[in-house]
Amino acid sequence: AQKITQTQPGMFVQEKEAVTLDCTYDTSDPSYGLFWYKQPSSGEMIFLIYQGSYDQQNATEGRYSLNFQKARKSANLVISASQLGDSAMYFCAMRESNYGQNFVFGPGTRLSVLP
Amino acid sequence: DTGVSQDPRHKITKRGQNVTFRCDPISEHNRLYWYRQTLGQGPEFLTYFQNEAQLEKSRLLSDRFSAERPKGSFSTLEIQRTEQGDSAMYLCASSQQGQISRYGYTFGSGTRLTVV
Repeated sequence: AQKITQTQPGMFVQEKEAVTLDCTYDTSDPSYGLFWYKQPSSGEMIFLIYQGSYDQQNATEGRYSLNFQKARKSANLVISASQLGDSAMYFCAMRESNYGQNFVFGPGTRLSVLP
Repeated sequence: DTGVSQDPRHKITKRGQNVTFRCDPISEHNRLYWYRQTLGQGPEFLTYFQNEAQLEKSRLLSDRFSAERPKGSFSTLEIQRTEQGDSAMYLCASSQQGQISRYGYTFGSGTRLTVV
């Protein structure tokens, strides 16, 4: 079964607008971490933001924020004030404490920022 | 430190040949990971080292694949008798124990393998 679902294969957003990228996850582990990565065309995966399952507040990092809804098992990434350089693939990933050290990644969402 | 380095960036090989990739992690990171990413998909976990010990291997890592991290620094990933299905981007990442929540993994730019 898919552990990470990203239902939006592609998204478009106008420059300077905000955009939400969806991520839902499936786990029975009470302790887990959720991560978002950006992958530009150069191929390197860039860490954006982290949310722990026990964190009481939604994570924020600059223009990135994570809308964490634990009961719904969703961890949507919100990018405010989009910039042309935000055009890239975005991956949601999960790391479960009881299942080793590796991340499970979703299929990704391609974001295109329009001028 | 310039981050995680992978070499080569691109590799084209004929089916049946052996290939070896190298990864140099961030020097103070004791954990090193290999992932494989096929076109249009997210990365899939292959294997993980803590220092020189290989602690986890995915079922994706068939007998033709072997990874080493002999002195707990750089790592190599070898694929023997390559098949067309091995064509993918091979990503290396590193992390320092206890810092994943703050920094995640640091990934390299990957090695793109094409088997013809």
